[in-house]
Amino acid sequence: DVKVTQSSRYLVKRTGEKVFLECVQDMDHENMFWYRQDPGLGLRLIYFSYDVKMKEKGDIPEGYSVSREKKERFSLILESASTNQTSMYLCASTSRGGFSTDTQYFGPGTRLTVL
Amino acid sequence: GESVGLHLPTLSVQEGDNSIINCAYSNSASDYFIWYKQESGKGPQFIIDIRSNMDKRQGQRVTVLLNKTVKHLSLQIAATQPGDSAVYFCAENGSGNTGKLIFGQGTTLQVKP
Repeated sequence: DVKVTQSSRYLVKRTGEKVFLECVQDMDHENMFWYRQDPGLGLRLIYFSYDVKMKEKGDIPEGYSVSREKKERFSLILESASTNQTSMYLCASTSRGGFSTDTQYFGPGTRLTVL
Repeated sequence: GESVGLHLPTLSVQEGDNSIINCAYSNSASDYFIWYKQESGKGPQFIIDIRSNMDKRQGQRVTVLLNKTVKHLSLQIAATQPGDSAVYFCAENGSGNTGKLIFGQGTTLQVKP
Protein backbone atom coordinates (compact mmCIF):
# COMPACT_ATOMS: atom_id res chain seq x y z
CA ASP A 1 0.00 0.00 0.00
CA VAL A 2 1.06 3.53 -0.73
CA LYS A 3 1.87 5.48 2.36
CA VAL A 4 2.02 9.24 2.53
CA THR A 5 2.82 10.72 5.91
CA GLN A 6 2.75 14.28 7.14
CA SER A 7 4.86 15.51 10.02
CA SER A 8 2.04 16.88 12.16
CA ARG A 9 -1.70 16.31 12.44
CA TYR A 10 -2.32 19.55 14.31
CA LEU A 11 -0.19 22.67 14.47
CA VAL A 12 -0.74 26.03 16.14
CA LYS A 13 1.50 28.93 15.17
CA ARG A 14 1.57 32.68 15.68
CA THR A 15 1.33 35.35 13.01
CA GLY A 16 4.70 36.04 11.47
CA GLU A 17 6.26 32.70 12.37
CA LYS A 18 7.98 30.57 9.76
CA VAL A 19 6.19 27.26 9.39
CA PHE A 20 7.45 24.02 7.87
CA LEU A 21 5.09 21.24 6.83
CA GLU A 22 6.77 18.00 5.88
CA CYS A 23 5.48 15.24 3.65
CA VAL A 24 7.09 11.87 2.99
CA GLN A 25 5.97 9.10 0.63
CA ASP A 26 7.38 5.59 0.51
CA MET A 27 6.40 4.51 -3.01
CA ASP A 28 9.17 6.16 -5.03
CA HIS A 29 6.62 8.47 -6.66
CA GLU A 30 7.91 11.17 -8.96
CA ASN A 31 5.09 13.68 -8.48
CA MET A 32 4.15 15.33 -5.22
CA PHE A 33 1.53 17.96 -4.45
CA TRP A 34 0.50 20.34 -1.70
CA TYR A 35 -3.13 21.42 -1.35
CA ARG A 36 -5.11 23.40 1.13
CA GLN A 37 -8.71 22.54 1.88
CA ASP A 38 -11.22 25.06 3.16
CA PRO A 39 -14.99 24.76 3.67
CA GLY A 40 -16.87 25.72 0.54
CA LEU A 41 -13.68 26.05 -1.52
CA GLY A 42 -12.69 22.42 -1.89
CA LEU A 43 -9.12 21.36 -2.62
CA ARG A 44 -6.86 24.05 -4.03
CA LEU A 45 -3.42 23.31 -5.40
CA ILE A 46 -0.60 25.34 -3.87
CA TYR A 47 2.54 23.83 -5.42
CA PHE A 48 3.60 20.61 -7.03
CA SER A 49 6.84 18.93 -8.01
CA TYR A 50 7.68 16.54 -10.83
CA ASP A 51 11.12 15.64 -9.63
CA VAL A 52 13.84 16.42 -7.14
CA LYS A 53 14.64 20.13 -7.03
CA MET A 54 11.79 20.86 -9.44
CA LYS A 55 8.70 22.81 -8.48
CA GLU A 56 5.72 24.34 -10.21
CA LYS A 57 3.22 26.86 -8.93
CA GLY A 58 -0.32 25.71 -8.50
CA ASP A 59 -3.41 27.86 -8.30
CA ILE A 60 -2.67 29.67 -5.03
CA PRO A 61 1.13 29.85 -4.44
CA GLU A 62 1.20 33.29 -2.84
CA GLY A 63 2.60 33.23 0.68
CA TYR A 64 4.05 29.74 0.25
CA SER A 65 7.24 28.14 -0.97
CA VAL A 66 8.33 24.52 -1.31
CA SER A 67 11.44 22.41 -1.21
CA ARG A 68 12.16 19.01 -2.72
CA GLU A 69 15.71 17.94 -1.95
CA LYS A 70 14.95 14.22 -1.92
CA LYS A 71 12.52 12.26 -4.04
CA GLU A 72 10.51 11.01 -1.09
CA ARG A 73 10.16 14.32 0.72
CA PHE A 74 8.25 17.47 -0.21
CA SER A 75 8.16 20.40 2.20
CA LEU A 76 5.74 23.31 2.28
CA ILE A 77 7.02 26.52 3.85
CA LEU A 78 5.03 29.46 5.10
CA GLU A 79 7.67 32.20 5.27
CA SER A 80 5.59 34.45 7.53
CA ALA A 81 2.36 32.83 8.65
CA SER A 82 -0.82 34.84 8.52
CA THR A 83 -4.27 34.13 9.93
CA ASN A 84 -5.71 33.58 6.45
CA GLN A 85 -3.42 30.59 6.12
CA THR A 86 -5.35 28.77 8.80
CA SER A 87 -6.49 25.67 6.95
CA MET A 88 -6.21 21.93 6.43
CA TYR A 89 -3.08 21.15 4.39
CA LEU A 90 -2.95 17.97 2.37
CA CYS A 91 0.01 16.37 0.66
CA ALA A 92 -0.38 13.88 -2.20
CA SER A 93 1.87 11.84 -4.45
CA THR A 94 1.52 9.94 -7.69
CA SER A 95 3.66 7.87 -10.00
CA ARG A 96 4.36 8.95 -13.52
CA GLY A 97 3.76 5.73 -15.43
CA GLY A 98 1.37 2.82 -15.68
CA PHE A 99 -2.41 2.57 -15.62
CA SER A 100 -2.78 4.50 -12.40
CA THR A 101 -0.54 7.34 -13.46
CA ASP A 102 -2.87 10.01 -12.22
CA THR A 103 -4.15 8.47 -9.03
CA GLN A 104 -3.06 10.77 -6.26
CA TYR A 105 -2.57 9.26 -2.84
CA PHE A 106 -3.09 11.60 0.07
CA GLY A 107 -1.57 11.99 3.47
CA PRO A 108 -3.71 12.38 6.61
CA GLY A 109 -3.54 16.16 6.53
CA THR A 110 -2.19 18.86 8.86
CA ARG A 111 -4.69 21.15 10.52
CA LEU A 112 -2.82 24.46 10.86
CA THR A 113 -4.15 27.27 13.03
CA VAL A 114 -2.44 30.66 12.88
CA LEU A 115 -3.24 32.94 15.80
CA GLY B 1 -13.27 27.12 -17.45
CA GLU B 2 -12.75 23.64 -16.22
CA SER B 3 -14.88 22.49 -13.37
CA VAL B 4 -15.97 19.30 -11.77
CA GLY B 5 -19.20 19.49 -9.88
CA LEU B 6 -21.42 17.35 -7.78
CA HIS B 7 -25.17 17.63 -8.06
CA LEU B 8 -26.04 17.47 -4.36
CA PRO B 9 -24.06 18.80 -1.39
CA THR B 10 -25.64 16.34 1.05
CA LEU B 11 -27.18 12.91 0.58
CA SER B 12 -28.96 11.12 3.39
CA VAL B 13 -29.70 7.40 3.09
CA GLN B 14 -30.95 4.63 5.31
CA GLU B 15 -28.50 1.98 6.40
CA GLY B 16 -28.74 -0.96 4.02
CA ASP B 17 -30.02 1.09 1.09
CA ASN B 18 -27.99 1.76 -2.03
CA SER B 19 -26.44 5.21 -2.46
CA ILE B 20 -25.82 7.04 -5.70
CA ILE B 21 -23.54 10.08 -5.75
CA ASN B 22 -23.38 12.06 -8.95
CA CYS B 23 -20.74 14.22 -10.56
CA ALA B 24 -20.70 16.37 -13.70
CA TYR B 25 -17.47 17.25 -15.44
CA SER B 26 -16.91 19.88 -18.09
CA ASN B 27 -13.64 18.98 -19.82
CA SER B 28 -14.33 16.55 -22.64
CA ALA B 29 -10.58 15.92 -22.92
CA SER B 30 -10.50 14.26 -19.48
CA ASP B 31 -9.80 10.57 -19.84
CA TYR B 32 -9.31 9.53 -16.24
CA PHE B 33 -11.67 9.88 -13.29
CA ILE B 34 -11.34 9.06 -9.63
CA TRP B 35 -13.64 8.88 -6.64
CA TYR B 36 -12.26 9.72 -3.21
CA LYS B 37 -13.77 9.31 0.24
CA GLN B 38 -12.84 11.71 3.01
CA GLU B 39 -13.81 11.01 6.59
CA SER B 40 -13.88 13.80 9.10
CA GLY B 41 -10.40 14.99 10.04
CA LYS B 42 -8.65 12.68 7.59
CA GLY B 43 -7.12 12.93 4.14
CA PRO B 44 -9.00 11.79 1.01
CA GLN B 45 -8.83 8.07 0.43
CA PHE B 46 -8.85 6.54 -3.06
CA ILE B 47 -11.97 4.44 -3.70
CA ILE B 48 -12.12 3.60 -7.38
CA ASP B 49 -11.07 4.96 -10.73
CA ILE B 50 -12.14 4.61 -14.35
CA ARG B 51 -10.63 5.40 -17.73
CA SER B 52 -12.64 6.91 -20.54
CA ASN B 53 -12.48 3.70 -22.58
CA MET B 54 -14.79 2.10 -20.03
CA ASP B 55 -18.40 2.78 -19.08
CA LYS B 56 -18.47 0.89 -15.82
CA ARG B 57 -16.08 -0.43 -13.25
CA GLN B 58 -16.86 -2.40 -10.13
CA GLY B 59 -15.08 -2.72 -6.84
CA GLN B 60 -16.08 -4.11 -3.51
CA ARG B 61 -19.61 -2.72 -2.91
CA VAL B 62 -18.85 0.23 -5.18
CA THR B 63 -19.50 0.81 -8.85
CA VAL B 64 -18.48 3.78 -10.95
CA LEU B 65 -20.43 4.63 -14.08
CA LEU B 66 -19.17 6.96 -16.76
CA ASN B 67 -21.40 8.57 -19.37
CA LYS B 68 -19.15 10.47 -21.74
CA THR B 69 -22.04 11.67 -23.87
CA VAL B 70 -23.39 13.87 -21.09
CA LYS B 71 -20.10 14.13 -19.16
CA HIS B 72 -21.51 12.48 -16.08
CA LEU B 73 -19.90 10.28 -13.48
CA SER B 74 -21.62 8.44 -10.65
CA LEU B 75 -20.59 6.39 -7.67
CA GLN B 76 -22.92 3.68 -6.47
CA ILE B 77 -22.48 2.19 -3.01
CA ALA B 78 -24.37 -1.01 -2.35
CA ALA B 79 -25.87 -1.78 1.07
CA THR B 80 -24.68 1.47 2.59
CA GLN B 81 -23.19 1.15 6.06
CA PRO B 82 -22.60 3.71 8.84
CA GLY B 83 -18.88 3.55 8.03
CA ASP B 84 -19.66 4.93 4.59
CA SER B 85 -20.60 8.29 6.11
CA ALA B 86 -18.08 10.74 4.67
CA VAL B 87 -17.54 13.37 2.01
CA TYR B 88 -17.13 11.94 -1.48
CA PHE B 89 -15.14 13.76 -4.17
CA CYS B 90 -14.87 13.10 -7.85
CA ALA B 91 -11.79 14.21 -9.75
CA GLU B 92 -10.76 14.35 -13.40
CA ASN B 93 -7.36 14.70 -15.00
CA GLY B 94 -8.31 17.46 -17.45
CA SER B 95 -6.42 18.04 -20.67
CA GLY B 96 -2.71 17.42 -21.05
CA ASN B 97 -0.54 14.98 -19.17
CA THR B 98 0.27 17.27 -16.26
CA GLY B 99 -0.36 14.84 -13.44
CA LYS B 100 -2.71 17.38 -11.88
CA LEU B 101 -6.30 16.61 -10.96
CA ILE B 102 -9.38 18.80 -10.91
CA PHE B 103 -11.54 18.11 -7.87
CA GLY B 104 -15.22 18.56 -7.31
CA GLN B 105 -16.58 20.25 -4.19
CA GLY B 106 -17.76 17.04 -2.59
CA THR B 107 -21.01 15.43 -1.48
CA THR B 108 -21.59 14.60 2.15
CA LEU B 109 -23.12 11.16 2.59
CA GLN B 110 -25.06 10.67 5.83
CA VAL B 111 -26.13 7.15 6.72
CA LYS B 112 -29.07 6.87 9.08
CA PRO B 113 -29.21 3.79 11.31
